[in-house]
Amino acid sequence: DAGITQSPRHKVTETGTPVTLRCHQTENHRYMYWYRQDPGHGLRLIHYSYGVKDTDKGEVSDGYSVSRSKTEDFLLTLESATSSQTSVYFCAIMVQPSYEQYFGPGTRLTVT
Amino acid sequence: DQQVKQNSPSLSVQEGRISILNCDYTNSMFDYFLWYKKYPAEGPTFLISISSIKDKNEDGRFTVFLNKSAKHLSLHIVPSQPGDSAVYFCAASSPGTYKYIFGTGTRLKVLA
Repeated sequence: DAGITQSPRHKVTETGTPVTLRCHQTENHRYMYWYRQDPGHGLRLIHYSYGVKDTDKGEVSDGYSVSRSKTEDFLLTLESATSSQTSVYFCAIMVQPSYEQYFGPGTRLTVT
Repeated sequence: DQQVKQNSPSLSVQEGRISILNCDYTNSMFDYFLWYKKYPAEGPTFLISISSIKDKNEDGRFTVFLNKSAKHLSLHIVPSQPGDSAVYFCAASSPGTYKYIFGTGTRLKVLA
């Protein structure tokens, strides 16, 4: 257990509304990630962070922004949710020096 | 362009037999590979990894083989157990990027 929590675990929202998902870790790992999982696509990287205020884009970053003001929290924001952003979102941390990633339990987001 | 491919969406194996899950990649810069197991409604769980300086890594019932010339890796589970029934993802990263590219997953069903 890498001490990763995600909130909320489930959310239903309407198209055009802003949504923020939170990832919290308890072990001060430097690297944190946001993925989405969709049928037929596996896990795709949205954004990742390599330190407080240090973030970079992943494969599918359009429509998403992130912020990391504290080591333990990594926020994913959908500025204006669309139906194509209906997905399961996973947060992960990377443990050094092994480079293994550990995942949170996921957030199921439905955009209607 | 899918850099990491799992061409078998599903696999069924009898309990006690060997399960072999395959993964192909196209980026010759990848130097670190991981396998994850995912149960429904849970986050992926790290299983085993391998660095490109090795061709085999073993952990209990799980062995990962890497064939760099063929850009192919495989996960062997021996003996397979019903509790191994899950979706398995392979992932790869390039040196110094700390970003992971995932395959689309293979659903393993172990029959009792």
